[in-house]
Amino acid sequence: DSGVTQTPKHLITATGQRVTLRCSPRSGDLSVYWYQQSLDQGLQFLIQYYNGEERAKGNILERFSAQQFPDLHSELNLSSLELGDSALYFCASSVDIGSTYEQYFGPGTRLTVT
Amino acid sequence: GENVEQHPSTLSVQEGDSAVIKCTYSDSASNYFPWYKQELGKGPQLIIDIRSNVGEKKDQRIAVTLNKTAKHFSLHITETQPEDSAVYFCAANTMEYGNKLVFGAGTILRVKS
Repeated sequence: DSGVTQTPKHLITATGQRVTLRCSPRSGDLSVYWYQQSLDQGLQFLIQYYNGEERAKGNILERFSAQQFPDLHSELNLSSLELGDSALYFCASSVDIGSTYEQYFGPGTRLTVT
Repeated sequence: GENVEQHPSTLSVQEGDSAVIKCTYSDSASNYFPWYKQELGKGPQLIIDIRSNVGEKKDQRIAVTLNKTAKHFSLHITETQPEDSAVYFCAANTMEYGNKLVFGAGTILRVKS
């Protein structure tokens, strides 16, 4: 158990809908990362937050957004969902902002768009 | 930008044998190289990492080597056990887009008993 929690574990929704994925980092970690894992794209970095502020962006679609709250939990919002958004979404956390700090992954949320 | 290539994509070994997975990276500024193990239905688990100021790091049956000149690093698992069966990912950090990890495509390791 990495100490990173994610809810829900599974999510099934229809195209065009909006969903929110939630992540709680390990105790003491200030940085949260979101990743998308699909069969054809592997693990893709989406976005990073540090202590409430956005600090790095990867290949995140404009339909997706995220935020980190004062208690350091983070939410990833996915809107106008398409079939191709079906994937595993992972949250990871690290103690600080730099990319040389160990990242610990949560168990993931499996999103299925029908 | 940073590109990480990982080989092989699948690897089958007999229990007790060694397994080696290799990765190459493109960004010469990369200085942190973690390895993750992902079991079915679970999130990636950090199993070992290496920074560019060392050439080798060992943790029980797992070791990682780094050759900065050639820009490649490898994961070595000795005395493999059935519970080592999983998907293994290498990664390298990059300063592009504000400091992030770029992952290899993964290696499916099967340990046959």
